[in-house]
Amino acid sequence: AQSVTQPDIHITVSEGASLELRCNYSYGATPYLFWYVQSPGQGLQLLLKYFSGDTLVQGIKGFEAEFKRSQSSFNLRKPSVHWSDAAEYFCALGPGGGNKLTFGTGTQLKVEL
Amino acid sequence: GAGVSQSPSNKVTEKGKDVELRCDPISGHTALYWYRQRLGQGLEFLIYFQGNSAPDKSGLPSDRFSAERTGESVSTLTIQRTQQEDSAVYLCASSLLDGYEQYFGPGTRLTVT
Repeated sequence: AQSVTQPDIHITVSEGASLELRCNYSYGATPYLFWYVQSPGQGLQLLLKYFSGDTLVQGIKGFEAEFKRSQSSFNLRKPSVHWSDAAEYFCALGPGGGNKLTFGTGTQLKVEL
Repeated sequence: GAGVSQSPSNKVTEKGKDVELRCDPISGHTALYWYRQRLGQGLEFLIYFQGNSAPDKSGLPSDRFSAERTGESVSTLTIQRTQQEDSAVYLCASSLLDGYEQYFGPGTRLTVT
């Protein structure tokens, strides 16, 4: 069975500091991986996705993620966090074909000014 | 263009009552998904509609849950005889036929008292 693990439930960083959110997956084939962000009262917004090819993917709002097959990881990074980045971040795994996603439990990011 | 919309945004109901949640997908999106997000947890897949194919109902937690979709437009998720454990945010998403990117609505927060 496929699964996604986000080991950090809460993370606090200072504005301007770098950020890395961890995501590990379990899947028997080539995964399709996604990072979504959810602000309070909002739906989920796609930050970036990995299907194949270059293992470093760029997304919106200055985020990037690196797919590491050997570590079954797809960590999200940002060089300099802004206060507006405070939100909940979800990593998700999809099978080929683009249907249902398996989500991690999320990481709540707090940004200190 | 318009995104995915859901109504109502909030619903409070008494245990044992039936509720109906509505989702309007993005125009032209043939795939539609329902997910449930319990407090402090990730999203759980409930049901998936793709064009005229039979829906994938593998995520529905019990026979109290059902969903319908009219063609490639509106979908309704019905929960009969609601229980307190049904309290959650119900999210709807849509995507293109062969697209992998799911666009999410803002969700319906259901509270069963």
